[in-house]
Amino acid sequence: NAGVTQTPKFRILKIGQSMTLQCTQDMNHNYMYWYRQDPGMGLKLIYYSVGAGITDKGEVPNGYNVSRSTTEDFPLRLELAAPSQTSVYFCASSFSGRANSPLHFGNGTRLTVT
Amino acid sequence: GDSVTQMEGPVTLSEEAFLTINCTYTATGYPSLFWYVQYPGEGLQLLLKATKADDKGSNKGFEATYRKETTSFHLEKGSVQVSDSAVYFCALSYNQGGKLIFGQGTELSVKP
Repeated sequence: NAGVTQTPKFRILKIGQSMTLQCTQDMNHNYMYWYRQDPGMGLKLIYYSVGAGITDKGEVPNGYNVSRSTTEDFPLRLELAAPSQTSVYFCASSFSGRANSPLHFGNGTRLTVT
Repeated sequence: GDSVTQMEGPVTLSEEAFLTINCTYTATGYPSLFWYVQYPGEGLQLLLKATKADDKGSNKGFEATYRKETTSFHLEKGSVQVSDSAVYFCALSYNQGGKLIFGQGTELSVKP
C-alpha cells in the first residue's frame, strides 16, 4: 500500500521559473492538503481540498495554485518561483474532515529557489 | 487566533532517560490535540491524540494528557530509545476539514 506519494523528492529552481509538485494517494481519501515546512517553524497550510473539483485556500496560499480533477491527485503549482518559496513541501490526505481522522503524509519535496 | 507553542529544541537525552516535551495551546473553541512524529527523511505520522479535556492519548510508550485548565498537552515517555530520535510536533484541529495548526517542532536526539 503506497499511501501518499510525492514527486520529485528534490528540486532546484531559478527565480521566475515554474514547476508542479505532484501528489497522489491510493487510499480513496476525499480530503487532501498541502503544507510547507520552514526551518524552526511548524507546518503551514497552503491549500486544501475536500473532494474532486473543490479546493480552498489555507494560511499561506500566495504564489501557489492547485487543482483537484480526480480523487487521487492534488498537484501544487508554483508559477513564478521566489526565494521565499524555498521550503519542504508536504502533501497529506485524510478519510474525513473530522478531527479524529488522522492525516497521512507523503515524504516531502525539498525545493530550493536561487 | 489559535496557536500552538512547543518547547525549544534540540533536546538531547541518554538512552533510558525520561522524556518530557512541553506543548501549550491557545484556542477559541474546544479542539482535538495531537502529537505527530517525523523521522529523518520521512513525512509526519500520527503518534497519539486526545479529543476532549482529561483524555489521555498513548502509543508506543508515549503519553499525553489534554489539560484544559492549563491549556497543555505535554508529551512524556518513561524510557527513551535511540530509535525515538526524531522531530515531534504538537498540533490542534477542529472538526472543520481536518486542518491542523502545528507547533514549531522539537527535535529529540537520544544517545546510546
